[in-house]
This record gives sequence, structure tokens and C-alpha cells, in this order.
Amino acid sequence: GQQLNQSPQSMFIQEGEDVSMNCTSSSIFNTWLWYKQDPGEGPVLLIALYKAGELTSNGRLTAQFGITRKDSFLNISASIPSDVGIYFCAGQGGSNYKLTFGKGTLLTVNP
Amino acid sequence: KAGVTQTPRYLIKTRGQQVTLSCSPISGHRSVSWYQQTPGQGLQFLFEYFSETQRNKGNFPGRFSGRQFSNSRSEMNVSTLELGDSALYLCASSLVGEMSPLHFGNGTRLTVT
Repeated sequence: GQQLNQSPQSMFIQEGEDVSMNCTSSSIFNTWLWYKQDPGEGPVLLIALYKAGELTSNGRLTAQFGITRKDSFLNISASIPSDVGIYFCAGQGGSNYKLTFGKGTLLTVNP
Repeated sequence: KAGVTQTPRYLIKTRGQQVTLSCSPISGHRSVSWYQQTPGQGLQFLFEYFSETQRNKGNFPGRFSGRQFSNSRSEMNVSTLELGDSALYLCASSLVGEMSPLHFGNGTRLTVT
């Protein structure tokens, strides 16, 4: 089945630093999504990407849909303490409405 | 606009029992999906419903079932609970179409003892 490799598994950074995380897949996806999950809550959608090569920003967040359609990255600039959480990538392929999720990147920001 | 609402938030059951979880999607969203989240396996797809029909199903045993009502609300049921069913069960809704991302509720935390 489809698998997503998300890296890194965890990151410890200082407030103000930039962060980068990425996902790679063995399969092609038509849509890439990035979610953030805080403790005790469900994942919240950050950015949705629908076209190969697409670069999209949402405030301090920037994500790109890889040209091969098998990868995506998320950058967070000038990190702040509230950026702490688990970030998930998810891919969706074809007419199958199922999302395949990465294992997540745990981000810790030291003030 | 209200988000996806899941009830109950927490549930404790004993092995062998059954459980029903409820999900109310965002108004206007007709597709509802269910995911299981565990520390070991991450987020795993259970099933997806649209217009009261199951369109997709993940690789879970038949003890896991669901349904969708005419108002798009959905329920999932787990029968003969096992310890390994302890997890956070997440419901997500979306508009119809590929370019309609999933919006998740805060989940139901199920503990099986």
C-alpha cells in the first residue's frame, strides 16, 4: 500500500529559528496536505496543495508540492512557542478519498 | 460555522463490550471519514461515507463498522472490543470533490481495559 516517509521525527529548536520538514512517497499523490495537532485535539489543516510544483504560503508557513508528485515540504519561519505540536503530512490520490498520513514531526520550541 | 463535533470525548470500556461513537460534520459537508490514531501506527483510515453509502474502507476487521444518516451525521461502531482498540478515533468531514480537504474533530479517546 501507499506509504509516506516523514522526516525528521522530532525537532528541538530555539525561538526565532526556521524549521523545515518533508515527506516522500513511493506513490504519486494528487493532493498534499499539512496538518498540525495539539495535545488532546484533532489535526488542524495548515496548507493544502493541489498542483505539482505549487508553492503556497500561510503566514509564516510555506509548503511546496514536489514536481514528481511524490514529495512535499513544509517550512516554518521565525518559530514561536505556540508552533509547538505535531505536524503531519498527508497525501490523497485519484478518486480515492482516503488520506495517507506520515508518522508526524514533533516540534519543540525553546523560548 | 461550527466545526466537526464528536461525542463523547472520552470513553472507557471493557474487553468484549461494544461501543458507538458519533460525529456531526461541518454544515454543508456531505463526506465523513473516520481515522484511528495510535502512538505506534499513527493515523490509519477506517472508512469514508457519502450520501449514506460507504465509498472507501481501510484495512480493519469487520468488528469496525459505520453508517451515515440522511443529515450527514455519522456513527461508527466497534464490537467485541479488544485492548488494542484503545486509541483516539477521529472523524473528519469535507465537501465533495478531490480539492476538498478534510477537517477533523477533536476525537473520541477510547480506552479498553
